[in-house]
Amino acid sequence: GDSVTQMEGPVTLSEEAFLTINCTYTATGYPSLFWYVQYPGEGLQLLLKATKADDKGSNKGFEATYRKETTSFHLEKGSVQVSDSAVYFCALSSGSARQLTFGSGTQLTVLP
Amino acid sequence: NAGVMQNPRHLVRRRGQEARLRCSPVKGHSHVYWYRQLPEEGLKFMVYLQKENIIDESGMPKERFSAEFPKEGPSILRIQQVVRGDSAAYFCASSGQGSTNTGELFFGEGSRLTVL
Repeated sequence: GDSVTQMEGPVTLSEEAFLTINCTYTATGYPSLFWYVQYPGEGLQLLLKATKADDKGSNKGFEATYRKETTSFHLEKGSVQVSDSAVYFCALSSGSARQLTFGSGTQLTVLP
Repeated sequence: NAGVMQNPRHLVRRRGQEARLRCSPVKGHSHVYWYRQLPEEGLKFMVYLQKENIIDESGMPKERFSAEFPKEGPSILRIQQVVRGDSAAYFCASSGQGSTNTGELFFGEGSRLTVL
């Protein structure tokens, strides 16, 4: 079945540091890939997505590129801010399924 | 512009009692999904419903769990005779017709169930 493996957390960085959160997947066919973010006390929000190989999703300074050859969708940001502190979830949907398969989430804390 | 509304946010039950979790989707959305997040784990799909229909319940435990999304009113996730292992955060999400197969789900803030 489909699965998503995410970098273990928690991750603690200083403000303006470079962020990478690794995500790899296994899926049948050609999945769509997503990053969701959950800020403290809130629900999950879609951060970015990519629907085919070599697509790059981007939003709020975050980027992720759909790499079919390595089955990866790593999240990056060049300079994190304190306000980026949250839990980040990698997810996929494949075939005709509307539901998402999620990774276990990575807690990011950015210190001033 | 209300998003997905879930209630209660926190629910405490004793073993053997029933838990009812409610979810009102984004206005105009007709697709509802329930996910469960156990401590230290990711979100696991439970069930996908449209109005008055269960489309996919492949992630639902075979016993004690049920879900509905009536023509009027919120979606309900019902857990009968709760056990300690049911303690988790239950998230509801919704989507509209225009987001078929794009995975753009809108999530609520979750209902956190604690079974004593």
